[in-house]
Amino acid sequence: GAVVSQHPSRVICKSGTSVKIECRSLDFQATTMFWYRQFPKKSLMLMATSNEGSKATYEQGVEKDKFLINHASLTLSTLTVTSAHPEDSSFYICSATLIGGRTLETQYFGPGTRLLVL
Amino acid sequence: AQSVTQPDIHITVSEGASLELRCNYSYGATPYLFWYVQSPGQGLQLLLKYFSGDTLVQGIKGFEAEFKRSQSSFNLRKPSVHWSDAAEYFCAVGRNTDKLIFGTGTRLQVFP
Repeated sequence: GAVVSQHPSRVICKSGTSVKIECRSLDFQATTMFWYRQFPKKSLMLMATSNEGSKATYEQGVEKDKFLINHASLTLSTLTVTSAHPEDSSFYICSATLIGGRTLETQYFGPGTRLLVL
Repeated sequence: AQSVTQPDIHITVSEGASLELRCNYSYGATPYLFWYVQSPGQGLQLLLKYFSGDTLVQGIKGFEAEFKRSQSSFNLRKPSVHWSDAAEYFCAVGRNTDKLIFGTGTRLQVFP
């Protein structure tokens, strides 16, 4: 149980286009989802915290207009990279927490989405 | 500043050998400590965690870790490594904010 999926697993796009990444909790409802970005040989950096039905909370230095997050239901959060540029190329990972759980104990991670912007 | 350091970028061991992956942290208070494993195409999987109490914690897949406050360390150990343990390992810290701070990871390679 407690599986998180991401779609697509990898995407290549042209500079200037927008890309949407989906994060789904498959067998549980998630109050909170987190979006991370992972650079090669670097740690995962938290980008934003997304709560169902409310605006996402972005970490310092993350452009909210560049990385649009929508958490429309208890099982789906989306990250849209708007007007993507080569420097946005990265590995994006989401995680989800169980309703009623203590977040740090019950954070389940998706397999990640590799974005390459040409 | 809060940070996590994993000094070893890449470790290679023979199957059956013992393993220790190092993790040091800098945090304002005693943090919650975690070890995750990431395999290609898989999400990060929680191996074990420390919140309080016994400083030696047992996890899944035969892993254990020891919290040493005086050294600000939380090293991961396994007495006998299996080929299936080859993966990327991440140490992470957090507290009530529910935000995890990750180390840069250690890639484990296992030779038969």
